[in-house]
Amino acid sequence: GAVVSQHPSWVICKSGTSVKIECRSLDFQATTMFWYRQFPKQSLMLMATSNEGSKATYEQGVEKDKFLINHASLTLSTLTVTSAHPEDSSFYICSAVTGGAGNQPQHFGDGTRLSIL
Amino acid sequence: SQQGEEDPQALSIQEGENATMNCSYKTSINNLQWYRQNSGRGLVHLILIRSNEREKHSGRLRVTLDTSKKSSSLLITASRAADTASYFCATDDTGGGNKLTFGTGTQLKVEL
Repeated sequence: GAVVSQHPSWVICKSGTSVKIECRSLDFQATTMFWYRQFPKQSLMLMATSNEGSKATYEQGVEKDKFLINHASLTLSTLTVTSAHPEDSSFYICSAVTGGAGNQPQHFGDGTRLSIL
Repeated sequence: SQQGEEDPQALSIQEGENATMNCSYKTSINNLQWYRQNSGRGLVHLILIRSNEREKHSGRLRVTLDTSKKSSSLLITASRAADTASYFCATDDTGGGNKLTFGTGTQLKVEL
C-alpha cells in the first residue's frame, strides 16, 4: 500500500519551456504532499508543502512564481516549472502523507529528472 | 532549516558484514526517520522512531535514538549486495508541520 506515482520520470526540453510534473497517490488520500529538489550526490531540499484545496507553502528562497504548485484533489498535486532554464535542471521528487495524527512516514514518488538544454 | 549531518559520507563493506551509519541533528523532534534511495530513484521509508523511543528493530535494521545527544544510528546486519544505496536520516521537527529535514546521507556499497 501507500504507492505514489510521479510522471514523467524524465524530461528534456529547451530553455524557456514550461514543464509540468504530476504526483499521484494511487491507493490513499493525501492531504499533504511535499515537493523536493535534489542535486547529484546531495540531499533532498524541501521546496514547498502542498495541502489539498489551499495555496502551497514555499520554503525560503524558492520562487513561487517560478515553481507553481497545484493540489486540486486528495490524490493529485502538480509542480509546474515555468520558463525553465538550464539552472533549473535537477531531480524533482514528490512525497505524500495521509491525514490524521503525526508520526507518519512520507511516501515518495520515483522522481523526475529534468534536463533543460 | 538546517540539515542534519551523517557520517560516514561513504561506506564500503563486504557482503555479510554489518554497516553502521550515524546521524546528528540540531532541533527538538517529534520523530526521526530513515530512508533508502537507490541511484536515480525515489526514497523508500525504512523505519520511524519516535522521540520517546530509544531503540527500534525491523528485520535486519536496528535504529537507536539519543535525544540528549541529538543523534541516531542505523545498523544493517548481515549486509547484502542489494543493500547498496544511499541512506538518509530525516527529522520531523517539533512545530514543523510534518515537514522533514533530511541529513546529508551515507552512500553504502556492499561488495560481493
